[in-house]
Amino acid sequence: DIQMTQSPSTLSASVGDRVTITCRASQSIDDWLAWYQQKPGKAPKLLIYKTSSLESGVPSRFSGSGSGTEFTLTISSLQPDDFATYYCQQYNSYFTFGGGTKVEIK
Amino acid sequence: EVQLVQSGAEVRKPGESLKISCKASGYRFTDYWIGWVRQMPGKGLEWMGIIYSGDSDTRYSPAFQGQVTISADRYVSTAYLQWTSLKASDTAIYYCVKPNIPATMYGPTGAFDIWGQGTAVTVSS
Repeated sequence: DIQMTQSPSTLSASVGDRVTITCRASQSIDDWLAWYQQKPGKAPKLLIYKTSSLESGVPSRFSGSGSGTEFTLTISSLQPDDFATYYCQQYNSYFTFGGGTKVEIK
Repeated sequence: EVQLVQSGAEVRKPGESLKISCKASGYRFTDYWIGWVRQMPGKGLEWMGIIYSGDSDTRYSPAFQGQVTISADRYVSTAYLQWTSLKASDTAIYYCVKPNIPATMYGPTGAFDIWGQGTAVTVSS
């Protein structure tokens, strides 16, 4: 099974900050990686698929990069609506989620 | 509009059975696999399994194999998640999900672009 490790698990930041979340796969997943945002009491929402493709309707301040085993999600300028938990997910071999990163207000 | 609408919250006792549902609309049900994701209280997301309604091909995460049964009825565009004997540790929110890549001969893949609203299952004596 492919394991996904996200870091950090919690991140404190201010509005306007540039935020980066890292996701590492236990083996190469090519570029079959997605990122999701989840707010309390809500279903997760797809932000990015295939490492760097922005889902329709997602603001351009979100971007993704990486390949193989190391990937990043970047929020270029954190907005109040972005405080949430973020998950990476590989879909190269079935599906595995990372443990999540909670982005909190500093 | 493409959407997945799940059945309502359930409360059961340990040892009881349960079947929850997820009705798809806005797309051809047999063009895509449909899966289930668990989220235990305060915890992360776990992929449970996925089914292709065209031929009932079902794949399970090793963690959930033998613990649940996933099924689908293509004639009513509905997927199901079933337990025969619930445990307190099954208390969680369960989401159905649709991948963004159509079904192919290579098996299930894709990011989950559509999520159901979630079904809360509480198992308590």
